[in-house]
Amino acid sequence: NAGVTQTPKFQVLKTGQSMTLQCAQDMNHEYMSWYRQDPGMGLRLIHYSVGAGITDQGEVPNGYNVSRSTTEDFPLRLLSAAPSQTSVYFCASSGNRGPMNTEAFFGQGTRLTVV
Amino acid sequence: GNSVTQMEGPVTLSEEAFLTINCTYTATGYPSLFWYVQYPGEGLQLLLKATKADDKGSNKGFEATYRKETTSFHLEKGSVQVSDSAVYFCALTPRGDSSYKLIFGSGTRLLVRP
Repeated sequence: NAGVTQTPKFQVLKTGQSMTLQCAQDMNHEYMSWYRQDPGMGLRLIHYSVGAGITDQGEVPNGYNVSRSTTEDFPLRLLSAAPSQTSVYFCASSGNRGPMNTEAFFGQGTRLTVV
Repeated sequence: GNSVTQMEGPVTLSEEAFLTINCTYTATGYPSLFWYVQYPGEGLQLLLKATKADDKGSNKGFEATYRKETTSFHLEKGSVQVSDSAVYFCALTPRGDSSYKLIFGSGTRLLVRP
């Protein structure tokens, strides 16, 4: 009964380094998304996917890439980390084409610090 | 555009006090409305939702009513417990082509003291 699994939970990067945040869900959900959570700003959508092979940009996509080769996995890549990307990142999934129709399930988050 | 505005926290209450967390929204058409809760160190969980005007969502003693005329979705609980201490997010999903997106408010931290 894993739900949405994110790894790692914590990460410190140096400016300019790259890394991939992993997200996997075992509920056969079509819709997956990545958010970042910053103090006083709630959660903001970075990228989302409505199914394998289909991705699109959210509100704050710059500096991030995604791919969706399988239904289960939706990794988020930071190409060249910047201090402005210091944040808590959440992956979410939901069935039936999005959170309007079904509950969105969130991972436990990845706390990323870029120094 | 679409947006959600929540009252700023933190909100500090004594156990068994009445809770209201205000939420208003701006959206084209009639969005679906949600309250999510984030307990310390965890991800967000759906607390309740309402998909049309005058609907009342309820769960775990919490309630919120979709008020189209005031564009509001205030969260209420009659008697809070220490275990309700968490951050509460109001959110909406717009109707139409962009209905796959959740748009969040900034969150309200609730602290309940024994």
